[in-house]
This record gives sequence, structure tokens and C-alpha cells, in this order.
Amino acid sequence: NAGVTQTPKFQVLKTGQSMTLQCAQDMNHEYMSWYRQDPGMGLRLIHYSVGAGITDQGEVPNGYNVSRSTTEDFPLRLLSAAPSQTSVYFCASSYGRPPMNTEAFFGQGTRLTVV
Amino acid sequence: DAKTTQPNSMESNEEEPVHLPCNHSTISGTDYIHWYRQLPSQGPEYVIHGLTSNVNNRMASLAIAEDRKSSTLILHRATLRDAAVYYCILSPYGQNFVFGPGTRLSVLP
Repeated sequence: NAGVTQTPKFQVLKTGQSMTLQCAQDMNHEYMSWYRQDPGMGLRLIHYSVGAGITDQGEVPNGYNVSRSTTEDFPLRLLSAAPSQTSVYFCASSYGRPPMNTEAFFGQGTRLTVV
Repeated sequence: DAKTTQPNSMESNEEEPVHLPCNHSTISGTDYIHWYRQLPSQGPEYVIHGLTSNVNNRMASLAIAEDRKSSTLILHRATLRDAAVYYCILSPYGQNFVFGPGTRLSVLP
């Protein structure tokens, strides 16, 4: 199993550009989520999904879109990048929904810089 | 949001045990207690989780207070590779993980 795979690992965007961060998992997990981590801080939830076709907003959803057309994939779209979206983005997946009696698996992150 | 309180930083000597505390005084009866750690430039990594009873696995032990208002993550013999930020997180019904700033553990050779 590859676990949770995020691509790309690094990306530089210009202000106003759009892009999609990819996240894929091969563990047949129903629950997937996206977090961002700013320097010196904990992770903040952007969007999450409890299964294919179902998504919902987290703590900091503005400027981001998600969709979940398959169990395996959960892409995060930046519609019009802003310098405030410079951050490290982590995708996570788990078998269960909260309350979680299973472990969550995290990807290695995508480091995004918006200039 | 389910809230936890952890010390900002702790130090340990290599090969000694480490006890990382976490307070969660507003915990509800169905909230699981999770611990994750984040090594430099990596994603968070699962360490252990529990509900009421103490838990052991190959990485660590989790000691949960009888009233569940606090817990302690125990690393039995710290290694340099254990230097990381450790997050104590509650998993309540219907709520996602909320990450605080965690405890930065330094391990001295």
C-alpha cells in the first residue's frame, strides 16, 4: 500500500493563478480531509469528505474548492491564489468518521508559495 | 471545539523515558483521545489513541486519568528520532480533529 499520496510536493504560483492539489489513498477509506499548516502553528481543517459525493467545509474553507467523485481521490482546488494561501497543505484519510476509533493517515504535504 | 492543553516544549535525554502531559477537562464520555507526532518537514504520524483504559503499542503507552480529564503519552526510551511536535487531540462525535500547537519535544544526546 502506498498510503496517502500528495502531488506535487512543491509549487510556486503567481497571485491569481489557479491550481489543483492532488490527494489519493489506496486504503478504501471513506473519510478524507485537507489541512493547512502555517509556520509554527498546528493544522487547520479546510474541507473534508465522509464519502464519495459528500463534502463539507472545515474551519478555513474560503478560497478553496473540493470534490469527491471517487473513494480514492480528494483534490483541493485553489480558485485564485493569494499570498495568504502560502502554506503547507496536508491531506489525511481514515476508515471511520469521528468519533475516531481508528488511526488517521497523513500525506507528506505540499509546500505552496504564492508570490 | 474539543480543546486540549499541552506544554509548549519539553526536553529529554536520549534513552530516558519521556512523559508528555495533556489536559482535556471538557472531554465528553464518547471522545477518543488521540496522539500524533510530526517530525520535521513531514506529515503528522499516528502514535496511539484510547478511550478509557490505558493503551500500549510498539511506539508508546497512553495513560488516561480515571476522570479522563487528562492523559499522558509515555515514550519508554527516547531516541533522537523521537524529536518532534506531539499533538494531543480529542475526537468527539461528529467533530473533526482540532490541532493545537502541540508540544515540541527535544531529545538531547
